[in-house]
Amino acid sequence: SQQGEEDPQALSIQEGENATMNCSYKTSINNLQWYRQNSGRGLVHLILIRSNEREKHSGRLRVTLDTSKKSSSLLITASRAADTASYFCATDAWGTYKYIFGTGTRLKVLA
Amino acid sequence: AAGVIQSPRHLIKEKRETATLKCYPIPRHDTVYWYQQGPGQDPQFLISFYEKMQSDKGSIPDRFSAQQFSDYHSELNMSSLELGDSALYFCASSLNGWKATEAFFGQGTRLTVV
Repeated sequence: SQQGEEDPQALSIQEGENATMNCSYKTSINNLQWYRQNSGRGLVHLILIRSNEREKHSGRLRVTLDTSKKSSSLLITASRAADTASYFCATDAWGTYKYIFGTGTRLKVLA
Repeated sequence: AAGVIQSPRHLIKEKRETATLKCYPIPRHDTVYWYQQGPGQDPQFLISFYEKMQSDKGSIPDRFSAQQFSDYHSELNMSSLELGDSALYFCASSLNGWKATEAFFGQGTRLTVV
């Protein structure tokens, strides 16, 4: 990846469980965004967290950002089969006009 | 709410042909980004435009060119197509240039080169 790694690369859980995905990046950032992608489909924006924020919530999603460790985590609570997808983080650096994606986590939620 | 519109959704071309992909950003968004995603890979940044000027360039082959027009729509032109150009091509848009807000993606154009 141009920017960083996500782990795990694949995650399989039961419906109702929580899923945690981690993203690491290499350069100082302006903000970090999380996206969901169903197989071969478009990228759906989930949440944006700015470099001066440490935690953000949206529905069943909780995102944290640790700029000192250059890492972020996405927590999906009470997962559903419909959450099955690939999840990507994307970062942009100050003064740039591009988002660099991590390698993604493939989440499978079993009903 | 209006989303990013890409056309066509699917495109089949032969080797050495030319393809043009179009992107219509969300109204009032001033920045457009183009990405290429191969099978099982993460999206790779190609090029971006802020206020109709090229703003950043990534791993875009010299055979590809892009521009943003006065109405803010953008086109990605791909010439001398190769089999390896087969991929999903995404366009995204955001507001406020490098102080970008959320970047929203279109549904993508699936290009198949045969």
